[in-house]
Amino acid sequence: QSALTQPASVSGSPGQSITISCTGTSSDVGSYNLVSWYQQHPGKAPKLMIYEGSKRPSGVSNRFSGSKSGNTASLTISGLQAEDEADYYCCSYAGSSTFEVFGGGTKLTVL
Amino acid sequence: QITLKESGPTLVKPTQTLTLTCTFSGFSLSTSGVGVGWIRQPPGKALEWLALIYWDDDKRYSPSLKSRLTITKDTSKNQVVLTMTNMDPVDTATYYCAHRRRGYSDYWGQGTLVTVSS
Repeated sequence: QSALTQPASVSGSPGQSITISCTGTSSDVGSYNLVSWYQQHPGKAPKLMIYEGSKRPSGVSNRFSGSKSGNTASLTISGLQAEDEADYYCCSYAGSSTFEVFGGGTKLTVL
Repeated sequence: QITLKESGPTLVKPTQTLTLTCTFSGFSLSTSGVGVGWIRQPPGKALEWLALIYWDDDKRYSPSLKSRLTITKDTSKNQVVLTMTNMDPVDTATYYCAHRRRGYSDYWGQGTLVTVSS
């Protein structure tokens, strides 16, 4: 069982927007602005999409955005495209003892 | 251009020790703020953070695996080595190394599949 809770799957049609939630606790997501999001296509390495909660690395489309409210972080993808179909993982710093925890992953299907 | 590549055995026997090497280029592990981490992913399952070493030799481990893991760096060779003792079939996974900044992994290796079986 993963430390952070994500929905197992979400889906949307091309052009629509979807949001993936990532629920943690006051010991991780709720205490630090260090949530990152990764996209993983089948058979490929994860790719950083969002860091420090809402920042986008160079080269990542501005269709991807991140936010946080309390113990829950969210990844929103607007203007869904076929190539967005992938697994998405959240990750949070969890203090000096636990250090870092991942979510269980969410499979995004573009209908 | 930052690149990382994992290397090591593809098959290990139960109870054996796994040694994986991450060879990287495009950055130095002597640069302040930089680290290299290891993450694994069992087939069809989620990512799991394992360990991390920083430029100043600060090391962090997953609490659940801490007793089995050791991470070291060789700055002159641009390598980071992860050892995991007492391997078990549940440790079968793709193991990734990644370039680290504070709070995130921005460049990942391609991963290496390690199977634990007798």
